[in-house]
Amino acid sequence: DAKTTQPPSMDCAEGRAANLPCNHSTISGNEYVYWYRQIHSQGPQYIIHGLKNNETNEMASLIITEDRKSSTLILPHATLRDTAVYYCIVRVTDRGSTLGRLYFGRGTQLTVWP
Amino acid sequence: ETGVTQTPRHLVMGMTNKKSLKCEQHLGHNAMYWYKQSAKKPLELMFVYNFKEQTENNSVPSRFSPECPNSSHLFLHLHTLQPEDSALYLCASRDIRENTEAFFGQGTRLTVV
Repeated sequence: DAKTTQPPSMDCAEGRAANLPCNHSTISGNEYVYWYRQIHSQGPQYIIHGLKNNETNEMASLIITEDRKSSTLILPHATLRDTAVYYCIVRVTDRGSTLGRLYFGRGTQLTVWP
Repeated sequence: ETGVTQTPRHLVMGMTNKKSLKCEQHLGHNAMYWYKQSAKKPLELMFVYNFKEQTENNSVPSRFSPECPNSSHLFLHLHTLQPEDSALYLCASRDIRENTEAFFGQGTRLTVV
């Protein structure tokens, strides 16, 4: 079962920052927060993940609250090609673990408009 | 291009047909997954294979039969499907030992008529 709550949809103007929230109030101490996105009818694409520190890569930034009960994915300069469904997922990710399967919720449909 | 390739990309089959979906990865991953995505529904995990052994079957009907002959290939054999089985079928893989994120294929769009 998905353990996260996300708004069903959000809009963002092209060139502006898109801030996508996620609540995961029942997250366990060994669970990471992962973000994926799915452009229409394609396979999901990994974006970023983190445990408790903020993370940044070439695609996005991930801000996790100190109590780890929520997080925000930030796309700093959204483009039209960022229009997609964004999924926030929590999962155990121990090295060597046979766990780590992903359970997807409904995600947030982000629409970037010109 | 993620390194996970699924074929065919589109498939139309009758309810009495037998067909197979194929997934292959040459990323050196050792875990492979089948997901189903029906219209307006979240992705549903179907099967998990770790080191070629099936470790999870999420109550999937027997008309779906997975096969993992080696760590690079995963099949989903289909027979006597129903129209409600029409969906996007996605394959994913990851490296358990190196703890990588999951990489997804582009999926097979299946229509059962």
